[in-house]
Amino acid sequence: ILNVEQSPQSLHVQEGDSTNFTCSFPSSNFYALHWYRWETAKSPEALFVMTLNGDEKKKGRISATLNTKEGYSYLYIKGSQPEDSATYLCAFKTPRHSSASKIIFGSGTRLSIRP
Amino acid sequence: NAGVTQTPKFQVLKTGQSMTLQCAQDMNHNSMYWYRQDPGMGLRLIYYSASEGTTDKGEVPNGYNVSRLNKREFSLRLESAAPSQTSVYFCASSEWRLTDTGELFFGEGSRLTVL
Repeated sequence: ILNVEQSPQSLHVQEGDSTNFTCSFPSSNFYALHWYRWETAKSPEALFVMTLNGDEKKKGRISATLNTKEGYSYLYIKGSQPEDSATYLCAFKTPRHSSASKIIFGSGTRLSIRP
Repeated sequence: NAGVTQTPKFQVLKTGQSMTLQCAQDMNHNSMYWYRQDPGMGLRLIYYSASEGTTDKGEVPNGYNVSRLNKREFSLRLESAAPSQTSVYFCASSEWRLTDTGELFFGEGSRLTVL
């Protein structure tokens, strides 16, 4: 059973503050780690796709790091804005040629930004 | 460019009724997925199809069947609906090219209520 865990489950942050949250995943049979942003009443959209140990990705004020050896990824948001309010999902992808190749999601971190 | 299209968007069923959720993508992706979303549980994989002609079980396949009709279309069938299948269902697709790490593109979701 592939277990992907995210913490915290929810987070309330003051506008302008920086924040981060964690995704933990199996360190074996790893192919890729995805981060998605999911706004209410919309569909999830990909933020980052990370494959290599030590990967760091950045998009504007949002960045992510990856440690495949210990099985975790951090997502950072610098200077939070109200439009950052969303649920952030991470997803673990197994190697695409394995019989168990699939994309498994964590339960998400719900982020609310207080003006 | 429509991306991933799901129908219907809303459906109410009585226990024991059957129905099929339709999904089509126009991005020429090889892989397609069905997820269900329940409060506090993120997205759980029901079935997936790594390529045309293949389907595999995900985390929660019981009570569902799928058909990969062609490269574009992947349908999800509930043969005898149960209240536990009340959920929001998302279809997604991704590509398996050598240089692609398979980020998912989602449909808008189908809200199913089983009474």
